Amino acid sequence: GDSVTQMEGPVTLSEEAFLTINCTYTATGYPSLFWYVQYPGEGLQLLLKATKADDKGSNKGFEATYRKETTSFHLEKGSVQVSDSAVYFCALRGTGANSKLTFGKGITLSVRP
Amino acid sequence: NAGVTQTPKFRILKIGQSMTLQCTQDMNHNYMYWYRQDPGMGLKLIYYSVGAGITDKGEVPNGYNVSRSTTEDFPLRLELAAPSQTSVYFCASSYHDRVGNTIYFGEGSWLTVV
Repeated sequence: GDSVTQMEGPVTLSEEAFLTINCTYTATGYPSLFWYVQYPGEGLQLLLKATKADDKGSNKGFEATYRKETTSFHLEKGSVQVSDSAVYFCALRGTGANSKLTFGKGITLSVRP
Repeated sequence: NAGVTQTPKFRILKIGQSMTLQCTQDMNHNYMYWYRQDPGMGLKLIYYSVGAGITDKGEVPNGYNVSRSTTEDFPLRLELAAPSQTSVYFCASSYHDRVGNTIYFGEGSWLTVV
């Protein structure tokens, strides 16, 4: 079945540091890939997505590129801010009928001033 | 711009009690979902619905029931609460269940069973 693997956390960075959060997946065909963010005490919000190979999703300074050859969708940001502190989830939606979102375990990012 | 609204936000239940988590959306989405989030884990799908009158099981449906009498509402029922159901519950909705379509989440309901 479909699965998503995220790097182990938590991650703590200083403000303006470079961020990379790794995500790899297992799925048949060409799934869509997503990054969701969960700020403290809130629900999940879509951060960015990519629906086909080599697509780059971007939002709020975050980027992720759909790499079919490495089955990866790593999240990057050049300069993190304290306000980026949150839990980040990688997810995929397969191509089968009525396929649902499959989530990774999530990773907590803390950014120090 | 309400989106997906869940109630209650926090609840403590005793073992064996029952309760209903309410969920409503105002985006006229046909698909609705219930997920649970356990510490250090991703979200697991409990039940979903593809439209009014139609529901189906997800990955972890045991101990729960749902109904979908209207497009807007998708309540989740716990009949005999157990400590294993202590979790954060998220309701979500989307317009179509197509590849690439965004799923919108509510703010979550924190449930503790003691």
